[in-house]
Amino acid sequence: EVQLLESGGGLVQPGGSLRLSCAASGFTLSTYWMTWVRQAPGKGLEWLANIKQDGSQTYSVDSVKGRFTISRDNAKNSLYLQMNSLRVEDTALYYCARSHVIDLWGQGTLVTVST
Amino acid sequence: DIQMTQSPSSLSASIGDRVTITCRASQGIRNSLAWFQQKPGKAPKSLIYATSTLQTGVPSRFSGTGSGTDFTLTITSLQPEDFATYYCQQYNTYPLTFGGGTKVEIE
Repeated sequence: EVQLLESGGGLVQPGGSLRLSCAASGFTLSTYWMTWVRQAPGKGLEWLANIKQDGSQTYSVDSVKGRFTISRDNAKNSLYLQMNSLRVEDTALYYCARSHVIDLWGQGTLVTVST
Repeated sequence: DIQMTQSPSSLSASIGDRVTITCRASQGIRNSLAWFQQKPGKAPKSLIYATSTLQTGVPSRFSGTGSGTDFTLTITSLQPEDFATYYCQQYNTYPLTFGGGTKVEIE
């Protein structure tokens, strides 16, 4: 079955760090751009970042630049989001998604930033 | 950044109704527009890309039109499983941006 499975979410204090992972199955990750999108509680979708097939190009939204880093390990069929200097406003459900033009979504992993 | 404005933000409709949702971009995005459906407590589902191309498995009652700055998503005969929130997204220019969503509720 073609699917994406996120992990790594949890409760973290402001200023802390988390690393999210996304495991791809049923397809070869290395053939796709990959994307992270988040959704704050009760809010809409926010595109965060994406990464080219070989990792040579990445793009991200200004609100996370310098704090979040998208990366991938094609040998492990996995996508990552390293999140540093977390803020209360980063509290959200984080989705990984396949492709620059998204055609597949994971189920999401919840990140809560709170004291 | 390109702002994506959806209207209405919510609507009430009945089974069998024709529903149209509008998405306007603050600048031209060619045909680089996608639509997504999200049901409560679930991950989004991809419906349409390149303005009008249905993703695999999406029913033909969904259709998309537009170009440049103005786009529409139409559901020709609303079904019970279509009650959800719909989002547009432009992928022409970084940062990619979503509209605020349109909630389709049962009348």
